[in-house]
Amino acid sequence: GAVVSQHPSWVICKSGTSVKIECRSLDFQATTMFWYRQFPKQSLMLMATSNEGSKATYEQGVEKDKFLINHASLTLSTLTVTSAHPEDSSFYICSAHRGQNNQPQHFGDGTRLSIL
Amino acid sequence: AQSVTQLGSHVSVSEGALVLLRCNYSSSVPPYLFWYVQYPNQGLQLLLKYTTGATLVKGINGFEAEFKKSETSFHLTKPSAHMSDAAEYFCAVSVEDSSYKLIFGSGTRLLVRP
Repeated sequence: GAVVSQHPSWVICKSGTSVKIECRSLDFQATTMFWYRQFPKQSLMLMATSNEGSKATYEQGVEKDKFLINHASLTLSTLTVTSAHPEDSSFYICSAHRGQNNQPQHFGDGTRLSIL
Repeated sequence: AQSVTQLGSHVSVSEGALVLLRCNYSSSVPPYLFWYVQYPNQGLQLLLKYTTGATLVKGINGFEAEFKKSETSFHLTKPSAHMSDAAEYFCAVSVEDSSYKLIFGSGTRLLVRP
């Protein structure tokens, strides 16, 4: 159980393109989803917290207009990197949470984004 | 403030040897603690968690961890390393504000020598 699907797993696109990444909880309802960015050989950096039906909460230093997050249902959150540039190239990972205190976050397999 | 410290960015063991990955945390309330494993170009997979109850927690793939309040530690162990255990391991503590956020350690890369 607790499967989180993230799509696409890998994308290459030209500078200026907008890229959408989907995160789905396949077998449970996720009241909260998280979006992370991971640089090579580093730990995860939390970008934003997404609660179903409400606006995302962004961490300090994360541009909300650059990284658009939508959490329209209890099983789907999307991250759109708008007008992507080479410095946005990274590994993006989502996670989903059931909304109960003693439960873990369950992670997707990540999306490798490369902007040319 | 809460924090997680993983001692040793790299740990190298021989196949069949004991694995010990160290994690210390700081928290002003009883913590929820987690160990995750990350294989190259993949997301994180939950190995085990401690919330309440028994302080020795058993996880997947033969790993276990012991919560020691007096030492503020949650070290991860496995009696006998396998080549497939080579990966990055992250210790995490849940944030106290009920946001379900996690604070991650910097990670430890486990290398397993044949």
